[in-house]
Parts: sequence; C-alpha cells; structure tokens
Amino acid sequence: EVQLLESGGGLVQPGGSLRLSCAASGFTFSHYAMSWVRQAPGKGLEWVSAFSGSTSAGGGGPHYADSVKGRFTISRDNSNNTLFLQMNSLRAEDTAVYYCAKVPYGYNYYFDYWGLGTLVTVSS
Amino acid sequence: QSALTQPASVSGSPGQSITISCTGTSSDVGAYYYVSWYQQHPGKAPKLMIYEVTNRPSGVPDRFSGSKSGSTASLTISGLHAEDEADYYCTSYTTSSTVIFGGGTKLTVL
Repeated sequence: EVQLLESGGGLVQPGGSLRLSCAASGFTFSHYAMSWVRQAPGKGLEWVSAFSGSTSAGGGGPHYADSVKGRFTISRDNSNNTLFLQMNSLRAEDTAVYYCAKVPYGYNYYFDYWGLGTLVTVSS
Repeated sequence: QSALTQPASVSGSPGQSITISCTGTSSDVGAYYYVSWYQQHPGKAPKLMIYEVTNRPSGVPDRFSGSKSGSTASLTISGLHAEDEADYYCTSYTTSSTVIFGGGTKLTVL
C-alpha cells in the first residue's frame, strides 16, 4: 500500500526557515517523480515544486512555482525514501497545508497518491 | 502563470448531471492530454478522479467522466450522489514542465 507521510510543519516567524519531509513507502520511491502542493487556509490548491525520478521521461527539473522560486529547494534521499522541501525567507503568504504527491509515470503529469499534509504557519 | 479558470460553484439535485469546466491556454490544457481532476472533501487530502482527460482510476465510479475541446476541459458527474458534494480541482501539465491548478469548484448537492 502506498503511503506518504509529511512532517516538519509548524509555526515560524516571517523571514524564517523550515524543512519539510515526506516519508514514502509501498513503492519503489527512486523510480517516481514527486511534487509538493500547498493549500492556504480556505483557498485552492497550488503546485509548489517537483523533482524527477530515475524513470521520469523528459521534464528535467527540479521545477518551482514562480511564487517560491529562489526561496524553496526540493530534494530527495532515495536511500531513505524521503522527499524534502527546504523553505527559506518565509512569508505570511506561504502559510498553508503542504502535501507531497506521487507522480505515477513521467514527470508532473498528474498525482495518483497524496499525503495527509503538514501545516506551515508563518506569523510573528 | 494564472490559475486555470473554473466556476466557483455548481449545484444539482441527486440523480441529476452536472458539468464543471476548466479553461486554460495553448500552453497547458490546449497543449497536452495531461488534464486531471481531483475531489477534495473538507479537511481531507485531494483524491484523483480523472487523469489524462478521460481516464478513471480504479475505484472511481463510472458516473465521473472527463473530456476536452481545445483549451477547455470538462468534468461531468452523471447521477449525482450526496457524497459527491465536495470541491473539485482541475490541473494540467504545462509547456514549462510545471503544473497549474484550477481555482476550484464547490459542488453542492441540493
């Protein structure tokens, strides 16, 4: 059974940093592209970043949404089946539930499994 | 890049059919068949309902269907059930290898 479990969320002051983790199980993690998607309170879904897998065709990457480019860095540790999102220079508008999501093939085509999310609150 | 355009809300009675539109551009919806739809109930993670415009994952009822014409995709739910009440989001892969979401549509089953 595929499982994705995010962690690392919490309260941080504007300008601060936070590192999110997504522990994956139930599939060969290294093979698949992964993404982060966020949802601000009461708002819609917003794609944040993607990192290719070993079998991802095309796409290149990593890629970032314009809203986080230069501040967020996505990475992965295939030996420990974990996806990361390093978030620096955080702003109030980064407050959201952050989900990690698995791409079933290729790169960023769509997301077949999602985690439960972790809440990041940026406030003084 | 602006979000794909979806109606903010739609409604229907049990047994009726509804359609949610999702309008993009030639750089996303119009460029690929990588349009997908997600259902999200309050406080829950999104769930994949349609992928690659028309395909349903295993376990999704066949009353959910998708289509696309040019830069506009659509999700149709035939024979509404009370449990279909949720938010629905479309997404598309883009020519920049990124993903763009629609603003979301709140479906109310009357």
